[in-house]
Amino acid sequence: EVQLVESGGGLVQPGGSLRLSCAASGFTVSSNYMSWVRQAPGKGLEWVSVIYSGGSTYYADSVKGRFTISRDNSKNTLYLQMNSLRAEDTAVYYCARITGEQSIDYWGQGTLVTVSS
Amino acid sequence: SYVLTQPPSVSVAPGQTARITCGGNNIGSKSVHWYQQKPGQAPVLVVYDDSDRPSGIPERFSGSNSGNTATLTISRVEAGDEADYYCQVWDSSSDPLYVFGTGTKVTVL
Repeated sequence: EVQLVESGGGLVQPGGSLRLSCAASGFTVSSNYMSWVRQAPGKGLEWVSVIYSGGSTYYADSVKGRFTISRDNSKNTLYLQMNSLRAEDTAVYYCARITGEQSIDYWGQGTLVTVSS
Repeated sequence: SYVLTQPPSVSVAPGQTARITCGGNNIGSKSVHWYQQKPGQAPVLVVYDDSDRPSGIPERFSGSNSGNTATLTISRVEAGDEADYYCQVWDSSSDPLYVFGTGTKVTVL
């Protein structure tokens, strides 16, 4: 059974850092395209970042230069390092697996990141 | 950047048909995916590649895509279909690569 379990969310001050983790089971992270998608309170879905099986990474303009997506193949875990956090980064962050058709077939339960002083 | 526009809300009586549109420039040339999201839950894929259904999704959910509009159709609507629905595309020439629609709240009367 495929499962994605995020952790690492919490309250952080503006300008601070946080690292989100997404532990995967039932499949191999490094063989798949993996992404982070966020949802601000009461708002819609926003794509944040993707890492392809070959290792290429891409980011939304809103996080470029501040966020870094990575994976640990030995732990079958996806990460999102978030630096220079801003109030507008406040959201539930979902870990997601992307299919060959570029849809998302599995989502984690989400982890809430709150950026506030 | 590529923009996908959805109506903010759609209301439908039980047993009737709900149609949710997703507008984008020449969207008919792209593959469109649809997600259902209930309050407090992660999204669920209900239609992919314009009109295919993942296993476990009822046949009541169907999709089409042509020209500048993609449509998600929910037939014989049930109370449990009340949720937010989002369309999504991937565009290798776009920034961002993955684009979500603005979302539509479906209310079952």
